[in-house]
Amino acid sequence: AQTVTQSQPEMSVQEAETVTLSCTYDTSESDYYLFWYKQPPSRQMILVIRQEAYKQQNATENRFSVNFQKAAKSFSLKISDSQLGDAAMYFCAYRSPYSGGGADGLTFGKGTHLIIQP
Amino acid sequence: NAGVTQTPKFRVLKTGQSMTLLCAQDMNHEYMYWYRQDPGMGLRLIHYSVGEGTTAKGEVPDGYNVSRLKKQNFLLGLESAAPSQTSVYFCASTGGTSGYNEQFFGPGTRLTVL
Repeated sequence: AQTVTQSQPEMSVQEAETVTLSCTYDTSESDYYLFWYKQPPSRQMILVIRQEAYKQQNATENRFSVNFQKAAKSFSLKISDSQLGDAAMYFCAYRSPYSGGGADGLTFGKGTHLIIQP
Repeated sequence: NAGVTQTPKFRVLKTGQSMTLLCAQDMNHEYMYWYRQDPGMGLRLIHYSVGEGTTAKGEVPDGYNVSRLKKQNFLLGLESAAPSQTSVYFCASTGGTSGYNEQFFGPGTRLTVL
């Protein structure tokens, strides 16, 4: 079974600064999908960014980008120009491709609580 | 589009009582999931469904049952609630067969078992 580890329970950053959230995973599969989800105080889970393992290029979505290191099994999230609205729990998640199209769901890390200091 | 909705949003049960959580999606998605989220933990998969009339166990299925009688609805049942089932429950759905597809989540149901 795959496992996802987020080693930073909490991170704090000044508004407008850059912060990087860490995620490592353990898998024996060569192809898979990785996701970052944001959970603000409203509790709603929101997809931030995703990456296909066979793609070398790191995914980017506006101020959010990832540093995907396949050999190291690392998938960190960088948030540039942090804004107050970025304050939330961030979850890293893994999905195997070998289960009928991802039918057996996502495996989540325990999350990182991101605090934005004004 | 309402996306994924969950009913109810909050519920308090006594030990041994039963209840059903309803998840509905209006995106014509084939795959639906139930997760639970406990303090300090990420979401964990309880059960899932790959289509109408089909269900399968996830990581933490004990104490729960599910049914998918209609494509748009996925029900999660607790036959005899226990305090260990106090949690926030999320339903999610996704379309297509690619693992890259986004899972869309409902707003969650906070369940307390006394």
